[in-house]
Amino acid sequence: KQEVTQIPAALSVPEGENLVLNCSFTDSAIYNLQWFRQDPGKGLTSLLLIQSSQREQTSGRLNASLDKSSGRSTLYIAASQPGDSATYLCAVRKGSGGSNYKLTFGKGTLLTVNP
Amino acid sequence: SQTIHQWPATLVQPVGSPLSLECTVEGTSNPNLYWYRQAAGRGLQLLFYSVGIGQISSEVPQNLSASRPQDRQFILSSKKLLLSDSGFYLCAWSPGGDTQYFGPGTRLTVL
Repeated sequence: KQEVTQIPAALSVPEGENLVLNCSFTDSAIYNLQWFRQDPGKGLTSLLLIQSSQREQTSGRLNASLDKSSGRSTLYIAASQPGDSATYLCAVRKGSGGSNYKLTFGKGTLLTVNP
Repeated sequence: SQTIHQWPATLVQPVGSPLSLECTVEGTSNPNLYWYRQAAGRGLQLLFYSVGIGQISSEVPQNLSASRPQDRQFILSSKKLLLSDSGFYLCAWSPGGDTQYFGPGTRLTVL
């Protein structure tokens, strides 16, 4: 059974700091890994998706890396801003087709960026 | 562009009452549809998914059921709510492939 762990559970940083969020998964046989953002009381917004054959993806100030063999991914946020404050969720997908559509989520990292 | 709607946004129901949450997707056809629950202190848990009309797969045995009466409509139901059904319910869709797109969610409180 796939398990996804995110460390730390909460993180508070001053504005402008670069930071790294960590995600680990127990079964390295994944199809892809996705990072989401969730604002309080809201749905999830997809940030980055990394296919199993890729090493990293970048979008603006965000960079996500994937080391499939070691079961790890990191989300790097450069020059953090108060608007980045949210819960960041990591999710892995087992495969393509059928029940492999299922995403297994971590519990998330609550990020607070202080002005 | 595609949009996903959920209603109601919030709901307070007594134990033992029925439940019906609705999710609709616009701007796409034959999407895969998903119901997730997010309970306090727990990660997102997939409850049901559907790859087509009338095709429902259940991930977790529970007090809930799902139906897909139309291509872009997904309904989550219960005949009798339990306290443990409280949580944040999220509907999502995907074009059969990679990224899942989530709706705004329904906050359910069972008293």
